[in-house]
Order: sequence, then structure tokens, then C-alpha cells
Amino acid sequence: ELKVEQNPLFLSMQEGKNYTIYCNYSTTSDRLYWYRQDPGKSLESLFVLLSNGAVKQEGRLMASLDTKARLSTLHITAAVHDLSATYFCAVDNQGGKLIFGQGTELSVKP
Amino acid sequence: DTAVSQTPKYLVTQMGNDKSIKCEQNLGHDTMYWYKQDSKKFLKIMFSYNNKELIINETVPNRFSPKSPDKAHLNLHINSLELGDSAVYFCASSRTRLAGGNEQFFGPGTRLTVL
Repeated sequence: ELKVEQNPLFLSMQEGKNYTIYCNYSTTSDRLYWYRQDPGKSLESLFVLLSNGAVKQEGRLMASLDTKARLSTLHITAAVHDLSATYFCAVDNQGGKLIFGQGTELSVKP
Repeated sequence: DTAVSQTPKYLVTQMGNDKSIKCEQNLGHDTMYWYKQDSKKFLKIMFSYNNKELIINETVPNRFSPKSPDKAHLNLHINSLELGDSAVYFCASSRTRLAGGNEQFFGPGTRLTVL
């Protein structure tokens, strides 16, 4: 059974700093998704990673996928307060299901 | 303009009641989903329909019954509501997986509170 684990689960950062969120998963998959959720809101799709070595960047966020290591990273560069949210990775279990990680609650402080 | 919409946004009800949540998508997608997000923000899939056919049916009490009248709509009916059903329920949709991906687009959520 596919399991997806994120770490850290909570992250308090200072503005301007860099940090990485990790997403590990337990069985083979080459499709991974990152979502953002603001408090009380829906999930917004950030990145779609569909092959080994895929790298996507949008603003201060960059996501990558290593299917051999079963690892995806979400790197935050020069954090700003607007990035405060909960970030989820989700892995396609090859059967049409997305299995979500626990979420990483990011708080960016001045 | 709304891509995936749900009604109602909030639902407060007593234990034992029956309630429904409706979902509609205007993205032209073939597949729709129901997820439950608990108080710790953990998201778990409940059901999925592809072109009105049930394709994923997770271990969910049979008090929960999804219905898809057409591929743009997916409703969730819950009988005999229990305290543990309190959660946020999200509807989502995607293209058929074989079409190249399973990126799912989520509705705004329905916050269900059972008293």
C-alpha cells in the first residue's frame, strides 16, 4: 500500500530565508503533485511532476522529482509572508488514486 | 467562471439527520472525486466516478452514498449522520488518467458540523 510522508510537518521561517520540504513515498510512481492550501480554503494545484528528474519552478518555489529515490522536494527561495500556507504532496498510486502526505504547515515571519 | 463548485459551503446539523452535498464542474473532465479532510488536515479519498461509473470506493461507511447523474455532477448523500462525520468534504475533478495525468482540481469544500 502506498504511503506518503512529508517532513517537516511544521515549518516556521524568517522572511528572506531558504528551506526545503521533503516528500517521501513508499512504492513506485512517476506522478507527483504539489498543492497549496490557505486556511479555510480549497487546494490549489502548484506543480505536476510526471517523470524522473522533472523540475518545475514558479516564482520562489521549485519542485523536483527523483523516482528512484521515491522523493520529491519543494524548495522555497527567499521566503515571503505570502507563502504562508499548508503544502501537500500527492502521489498517484498508478490506479487512479492520489495519496496525500500529511501536509507541511509553513509560517513565514518578518 | 467557477471550475468546481460545491453547495452548501457550510452545513450544521444534528446527529441522525440525512444530508446531501452537491458538486458540479465545468472543466469538461471525465472523472470526479470526493475527499474527506479531517481536523488534522489529513485528506483521504472516498469515492471516484469516471463518466458516471463508480471506479474508486474506499472503505467508507455505507451511510455515505455518492451519485453521479452525469459526468459534470457528483453528489454525496449521508444518512444517519454521526459526530465523527464532522469534517470538510472536497469535491475534485480531473481528466481521464490515461489522457496524460491525474492533476485534480478541487472545489471550495463543504464544512460539515454534526452536533
